[in-house]
Amino acid sequence: AQKVTQAQTEISVVEKEDVTLDCVYETRDTTYYLFWYKQPPSGELVFLIRRNSFDEQNEISGRYSWNFQKSTSSFNFTITASQVVDSAVYFCALSEANNFNKFYFGSGTKLNVKP
Amino acid sequence: DVKVTQSSRYLVKRTGEKVFLECVQDMDHENMFWYRQDPGLGLRLIYFSYDVKMKEKGDIPEGYSVSREKKERFSLILESASTNQTSMYLCASSTPREETQYFGPGTRLLVL
Repeated sequence: AQKVTQAQTEISVVEKEDVTLDCVYETRDTTYYLFWYKQPPSGELVFLIRRNSFDEQNEISGRYSWNFQKSTSSFNFTITASQVVDSAVYFCALSEANNFNKFYFGSGTKLNVKP
Repeated sequence: DVKVTQSSRYLVKRTGEKVFLECVQDMDHENMFWYRQDPGLGLRLIYFSYDVKMKEKGDIPEGYSVSREKKERFSLILESASTNQTSMYLCASSTPREETQYFGPGTRLLVL
């Protein structure tokens, strides 16, 4: 079974729209980390955020915000007032206490922001 | 800022050639990783290293080897390149104190 599911393969929005990228994870560990990465067309994976399992506070960074809900095993990512430069593939990932070096990546969501 | 660099952005090689992909990080990270990324298959771990001269197989080590002679450098070696190794190769590093993996820009390898 997939440990990290990103059900949205591709999303297209028009600039200035808000968009939410979904991430659902599965783990039996009580201690784990969740991550979001951005992969622009250039190819590099850019780290956006890390959340540990004990911190359910939502996080906001500029136009980006993250909603972590343990009750639904979700860690969703919202971009407010999207811009063309937000166009990229976004990956959610999980690592667990029994082996933090092992990352489970979702399949990614391709976001297209049109002018 | 963490910086992970990879020796080439694009590489074209012939079947049977020996290929070296180099990765260097400047943050004194203990852990280093090699992934390959293919459409529809996502990111798959090839090898990782948690210390100099130490290595562990990832999910798809077949056809690859690695070398870590210095802490900052982790090399991926394709002993005899094959067309099914055409892929995007991504290097990453992390420290046990933080666990976040930081990635390099990637190398797109084409084996003809």
